[in-house]
Amino acid sequence: KAGVTQTPRYLIKTRGQQVTLSCSPISGHRSVSWYQQTPGQGLQFLFEYFSETQRNKGNFPGRFSGRQFSNSRSEMNVSTLELGDSALYLCASSLEGRTPRNEQFFGPGTRLTVL
Amino acid sequence: AQSVAQPEDQVNVAEGNPLTVKCTYSVSGNPYLFWYVQYPNRGLQFLLKYITGDNLVKGSYGFEAEFNKSQTSFHLKKPSALVSDSALYFCAVRDWRGSTLGRLYFGRGTQLTVWP
Repeated sequence: KAGVTQTPRYLIKTRGQQVTLSCSPISGHRSVSWYQQTPGQGLQFLFEYFSETQRNKGNFPGRFSGRQFSNSRSEMNVSTLELGDSALYLCASSLEGRTPRNEQFFGPGTRLTVL
Repeated sequence: AQSVAQPEDQVNVAEGNPLTVKCTYSVSGNPYLFWYVQYPNRGLQFLLKYITGDNLVKGSYGFEAEFNKSQTSFHLKKPSALVSDSALYFCAVRDWRGSTLGRLYFGRGTQLTVWP
C-alpha cells in the first residue's frame, strides 16, 4: 500500500497570504490528524477528522482550519499567515477511529516557510 | 488531563551499549501508549505500542518498551545500540474514555545520539 502523501512538500509564502495543504491517507484509513512541528514548540496537535467530521481540535487560532472529504483525503488551510507559522506540518492517518488501538501513520510533511 | 513527559532532551550512548529513552505518562483511564521515531527531514515512523497484556512490548528494529503501571512509565529500550538508531524519539499516549476517542498526546521528544 502507498503511504500517507502530502502535497506540496515545500512551500514559501509571505505574511498575510493564505495556504492550503493537502493530505491523502493510506487507502482504507478513515481518520486523519494534523500536527505542527517546530524546534521551539515540538509537535503540536492541530485537529483530527474522522468520517468528514472534526473530532478533536488543538489550541490553535481560528486562522487554522481543516476539512475532510468523503474519500478521506484532508486539507488544512492557514489564513493570514504569520512568521510564526513557519513549521513542518505533518499529516497522519489511522485505520479507523473508534478505538485507541490503532497507531497513526505519518506522511513526510509539508515544510512551510513564511517570509 | 492526559500528558506525556520525556525527561531527557538528549541521550548519548556508545554503539553496542544498551540504550534507554524514558517516558512517563498521565491518563485518567487505561493507557494506550506508543513510541515513534523521526529521522531528519522525515515524518514520524511507528515503532511499537502497548494496548494490553504483556508489560514488555517488542517492536521494529530491535526496540522494546516496558510498561510499568505503578510508575506510570513506558521506557523505550534496545539491548545494543547502532549508529543508525540516532534520531528523535517520541512517546505518545491516546486519550480514551471508554466511548469517546480523544486525541494522541506526544511528549517533546528525545534526541538519541549513538556514537561509533
